[in-house]
Amino acid sequence: GAVVSQHPSRVICKSGTSVKIECRSLDFQATTMFWYRQFPKQSLMLMATSNEGSKATYEQGVEKDKFLINHASLTLSTLTVTSAHPEDSSFYICSARDLLAGGGGETQYFGPGTRLLVL
Amino acid sequence: DAKTTQPPSMDCAEGRAANLPCNHSTISGNEYVYWYRQIHSQGPQYIIHGLKNNETNEMASLIITEDRKSSTLILPHATLRDTAVYYCIISNFGNEKLTFGTGTRLTIIP
Repeated sequence: GAVVSQHPSRVICKSGTSVKIECRSLDFQATTMFWYRQFPKQSLMLMATSNEGSKATYEQGVEKDKFLINHASLTLSTLTVTSAHPEDSSFYICSARDLLAGGGGETQYFGPGTRLLVL
Repeated sequence: DAKTTQPPSMDCAEGRAANLPCNHSTISGNEYVYWYRQIHSQGPQYIIHGLKNNETNEMASLIITEDRKSSTLILPHATLRDTAVYYCIISNFGNEKLTFGTGTRLTIIP
């Protein structure tokens, strides 16, 4: 089946530094990838939609200058948390849409997540 | 996207069938029913999806009522590894966004 990887799996950083998280589709091409954030005991919240070769679309309330998204190829999207603060500590999850799956690409596959802790 | 209602938690004995209900009374004709699950501290895992016909795969069965206002995910022989939060999501085909609700926390009891 389709596999999505994320790197790193967990990261600890100091307040004020920037952290980059990579999301890769390993065996399929994804023109669209999605970034979610999940706080403890809460559901996943969509942050932004990442489109290959174009600017990302951010959900309401998500600061685009703080959460920089780059989708430079059909298999890689990156999320950079700039000037991270303790309140940015969360579980960040990406997903990728397989355009060729199921005869129409109606399924999304999720990465294993990246746990970010900002001290 | 249509809103869904799921019970917050359920228990099921190991080896029995787990039946997880989902209400989606405002679903429209071109919206699909998707099921994902999330095991603790992992990314969500796709289980199954359907439009109006019942569906079955190696993981589960999806039963959609004739009026499409509700559905049931069936795990035929639950194991301890099926303990997870199960999300029922309604989404348009071609609408790429998946909106996660609070889901059902399923606990499989030995």
